[in-house]
Amino acid sequence: NAGVTQTPKFRVLKTGQSMTLLCAQDMNHEYMYWYRQDPGMGLRLIHYSVGEGTTAKGEVPDGYNVSRLKKQNFLLGLESAAPSQTSVYFCASSYQLAGGLYEQYFGPGTRLTVT
Amino acid sequence: GEDVEQSLFLSVREGDSSVINCTYTDSSSTYLYWYKQEPGAGLQLLTYIFSNMDMKQDQRLTVLLNKKDKHLSLRIADTQTGDSAIYFCAESRPDTGRRALTFGSGTRLQVQP
Repeated sequence: NAGVTQTPKFRVLKTGQSMTLLCAQDMNHEYMYWYRQDPGMGLRLIHYSVGEGTTAKGEVPDGYNVSRLKKQNFLLGLESAAPSQTSVYFCASSYQLAGGLYEQYFGPGTRLTVT
Repeated sequence: GEDVEQSLFLSVREGDSSVINCTYTDSSSTYLYWYKQEPGAGLQLLTYIFSNMDMKQDQRLTVLLNKKDKHLSLRIADTQTGDSAIYFCAESRPDTGRRALTFGSGTRLQVQP
């Protein structure tokens, strides 16, 4: 099992450019997540999905869109990149086990710089 | 509230015990988690504890939960240089309808040989 994979690993964008980050998982997990990690701020939830064809907003959704057309893939799009979106982006997936237990498995991250 | 707070930095000597602390503000948390992040990598789940438990032990790791004070700690016995990493605590709160975790800002553990 590859677990959770992310592409690309690194990317540099100019302000206003667009891009899509791809997350794939081979664990048949229902739930998938996109987080961003900034120094001193931990991880903040951007969007998440509880199943194929569904998405929901997290804490910091503005400037991002997502799609979950296939259960194993979760795409994060930036339509018009801004320097404030310079960050490390992590994808995660999980089952929901009993009573709100989420064992999230994380990908290795994508380091994005917007100039 | 949704804040999960941790101290930023902890330095210990190899072989000593490390104690990493976390406070959370919401009493409706059901599970509390500890994750480890090594440099350049994603987060790895270390352990979790259900909110009606006081303690959980897993090899060198001991998790203590004080619900009254909303305080969570992770003790690492016989700390090794390979334990140097950032440690995040997190909580899940199904009552919010958000089926995700809320993370603290992380504690960087430095282990000196």
